Amino acid sequence: EAQVTQNPRYLITVTGKKLTVTCSQNMNHEYMSWYRQDPGLGLRQIYYSMNVEVTDKGDVPEGYKVSRKEKRNFPLILESPSPNQTSLYFCASSITTSFNTGELFFGEGSRLTVL
Amino acid sequence: QKEVEQNSGPLSVPEGAIASLNCTYSDRGSQSFFWYRQYSGKSPELIMFIYSNGDKEDGRFTAQLNKASQYVSLLIRDSQPSDSATYLCAVTGGSYIPTFGRGTSLIVHP
Repeated sequence: EAQVTQNPRYLITVTGKKLTVTCSQNMNHEYMSWYRQDPGLGLRQIYYSMNVEVTDKGDVPEGYKVSRKEKRNFPLILESPSPNQTSLYFCASSITTSFNTGELFFGEGSRLTVL
Repeated sequence: QKEVEQNSGPLSVPEGAIASLNCTYSDRGSQSFFWYRQYSGKSPELIMFIYSNGDKEDGRFTAQLNKASQYVSLLIRDSQPSDSATYLCAVTGGSYIPTFGRGTSLIVHP
């Protein structure tokens, strides 16, 4: 089954404790991206990757890191989480062989609470 | 700064009516337009995409694109309570990176 898998789905942590949210896709997609979603603010892009070893900042990259060492994986790293990073996080992927193909496949989301 | 604007709603329609959701975008170079549906607490899922001016129909859903007016809409015919969700408009230009609107909340009441 084609899917994007995120882990953990739910996490409560404390300020300053490093954490990683994993994302893996089995569709051989080149493009992967992380979003956060907050009430009233919609989906905001954190980082994206057009292919292996190629990453770039989105609209709200502060406080986050990513890496793309393999095509299927795109982990999101919070080195020193703060309460303002409490949010619902989505990983998404897509093929990029043509601008006409742009459907994003989303993971189920990771709800993060930072105390 | 590329912008995609949607009325946050909520848009409330009775069951069986036509729901009309609208989206405007700022980048005239935009080439691909998508509508996603998102149920509360769930991930977005693609409903429709449209690339060319005019209408595109898929079952009860019709996407309408007017590039001259920088306007894309989604019509839902015979609305059902199960259509109650937030609808996200996404626009992609030459850079491929999609820009999302904040979404319109739709409530279909029996």
